[in-house]
Amino acid sequence: DSGVTQTPKHLITATGQRVTLRCSPRSGDLSVYWYQQSLDQGLQFLIQYYNGEERAKGNILERFSAQQFPDLHSELNLSSLELGDSALYFCASSAPLQGNEQFFGPGTRLTVL
Amino acid sequence: AQSVAQPEDQVNVAEGNPLTVKCTYSVSGNPYLFWYVQYPNRGLQFLLKYITGDNLVKGSYGFEAEFNKSQTSFHLKKPSALVSDSALYFCAVRDMNRDDKIIFGKGTRLHILP
Repeated sequence: DSGVTQTPKHLITATGQRVTLRCSPRSGDLSVYWYQQSLDQGLQFLIQYYNGEERAKGNILERFSAQQFPDLHSELNLSSLELGDSALYFCASSAPLQGNEQFFGPGTRLTVL
Repeated sequence: AQSVAQPEDQVNVAEGNPLTVKCTYSVSGNPYLFWYVQYPNRGLQFLLKYITGDNLVKGSYGFEAEFNKSQTSFHLKKPSALVSDSALYFCAVRDMNRDDKIIFGKGTRLHILP
């Protein structure tokens, strides 16, 4: 158990809908990262937050947004969903020092029908 | 721009034989390097990292990796493979002098044959 929790574990929805994925980092970790993993694209970095502020941005679509709250949990919002958004979405957290490894949550499997 | 390459999509090794999973990287400054493993339907698990110091890094489950600055490589190794080592392995790099973005390789699927 990495100490990072993600809810829900599975999510099935229809095209055009909006969903919210939730992540709670390990106790004491200030950084939260979001990744998308699909069969054809591999593991894609979406976005990082550090202590409530956006720190780095990767291949995140404009239909997607995220935020980190004062209690350090984070939410990833996916809107106007398309079939191609079906994937595993991982959250990871790390301690403040730059060289620290990331700890990954179990992921949310999103299926868009 | 930073990048990481895992040239093999899949590696097959007989149980008990040594294994190597290759990784090369490109960063403008000094690298932080990481290896992660992913078992089916699970999140990634940290195996080991290189920050500075000894080029040979030892990690979890008997794995080790050797940092080679001249070849910009960070290959993952294990002297004797177990069937339970079968999984997807990711190499990752972060530039020490840039932002916190970590770049992951596309992954190498390791099959240990009994």
